[in-house]
Amino acid sequence: QLQLQESGPGLVKPSETLSLICSVSGGSIYSGSYYWAWIRQAPGKGLEWIGNIYYTGTTNYNPSLKSRVTISADTSKNQFSLELNSVTAADTAMYYCARHVKPGYPPFVYFDYWGQGTLVTVSS
Amino acid sequence: EIVLTQSPGTLSLSPGEGVTLSCRASQTISRNYLGWYQQKPGQAPRLLIYSTSSRATGIPDRFSGSGSGTDFTLTISRLEPEDFAVYYCQHYGTSPLFIFGGGTKVEIK
Repeated sequence: QLQLQESGPGLVKPSETLSLICSVSGGSIYSGSYYWAWIRQAPGKGLEWIGNIYYTGTTNYNPSLKSRVTISADTSKNQFSLELNSVTAADTAMYYCARHVKPGYPPFVYFDYWGQGTLVTVSS
Repeated sequence: EIVLTQSPGTLSLSPGEGVTLSCRASQTISRNYLGWYQQKPGQAPRLLIYSTSSRATGIPDRFSGSGSGTDFTLTISRLEPEDFAVYYCQHYGTSPLFIFGGGTKVEIK
């Protein structure tokens, strides 16, 4: 059974960089079939896709965050990571990592596995 | 950029009742790329419906989806106690690649 687990600091100071890791078990991120994504949810709010990465290193980012986001992968550790710089209080959220099937046929581009999420608070 | 608008924001219902949730897109989208998730407090979202009307693995048949063009719906035929949650629609498109609706909360009356 595939499992994803987020880890990282729960508190980040304004203007600093938020760094999270998603550890994947029960499957390999070195797979041509899937993309690996970050999604966040501010307290009491809806879901926002941050970006994703393919095992080749190809990334896609939400234009609203693109200038501040970097997603990378370490296939040797079966992990992928998120860095969000210049954070503000607006970046306080639950951060989820998730998997989706590589776009193709049949069309199935949905998040079928999720981590439990990690809460990151931006505060001095 | 496509926007997904979910309505209503909150529904207060009793177990056993049926409910239909709405997700409206700001422009025509493909049925292949519209899905629904359920999120309970303290949990990650769970995929319910993909490609407008296909149930994900393990999802009971009281959940059904339909729609086309700009209007999509999720129907729960008879609410079970475990169905009280927030429901999000999601679209895979161009930029951004993934967008979510604002959610509809189904609460116990």
